[in-house]
Amino acid sequence: QITLKESGPTLVKPTQTLTLTCTFSGFSLITSGMGVGWIRQPPGKALDWVALVYWNDVKRYNPSLKSRLTITKDTSKNQVVLTMTNMDPVDTATYYCAHSPHYFESVDPAHYFDFWGQGTLVTVSS
Amino acid sequence: SYVLTQPPSVSVALGQTARITCGEDNIGGTGVHWYQQKPGQAPVLVLFDDSDRPSGIPERFSGSNSGNKATLTISRVEAGDEADYYCQVWDSVSDHVIFGGGTKLTVL
Repeated sequence: QITLKESGPTLVKPTQTLTLTCTFSGFSLITSGMGVGWIRQPPGKALDWVALVYWNDVKRYNPSLKSRLTITKDTSKNQVVLTMTNMDPVDTATYYCAHSPHYFESVDPAHYFDFWGQGTLVTVSS
Repeated sequence: SYVLTQPPSVSVALGQTARITCGEDNIGGTGVHWYQQKPGQAPVLVLFDDSDRPSGIPERFSGSNSGNKATLTISRVEAGDEADYYCQVWDSVSDHVIFGGGTKLTVL
């Protein structure tokens, strides 16, 4: 059974750096095709993709946030870490991590999210 | 780059069929995935690759995708289907995930 859980600060000040950790179980990020993504959702607003890291350490970022983001994986700890610099109140959101599978018939990444963490609300305020 | 357009809201009577669209030029050329999100909960994948259902998703949920529009269809709508629904694609040109703006489904 695949589970994911986000952890990190609930409150950060403007200009600070946010570090969020996704700890997962039930799969390994050394398995071909697998990925873990971060998606955020400001209160009352739509889902907004943030970043994705794949088993082969390929990383993809939302172009509007790319200059502020770093995503890394630690396969020994089954964790994915997202850092976002220069936080602003508009970054206030629930941040989710989610598992991205490979296609059943191949090891090609499927590029959707089939298991999600519960999310963690991050508030940016002084 | 894709911009996925969804109607902000759709209303449907209990037991009827709801259709939620996701529009973009040539969206028929890529797989569309759909998520259901109830208040205070994480999204749940209800369809992937246009019309495939993950384990545990009722057959009442179906999908189609052609031309400029993908559609999530929910048959025999139940009160528990009331939620926000999001479409999502992978833009293989830019290698980015793109979500639609979401549709609030109200069951009357």
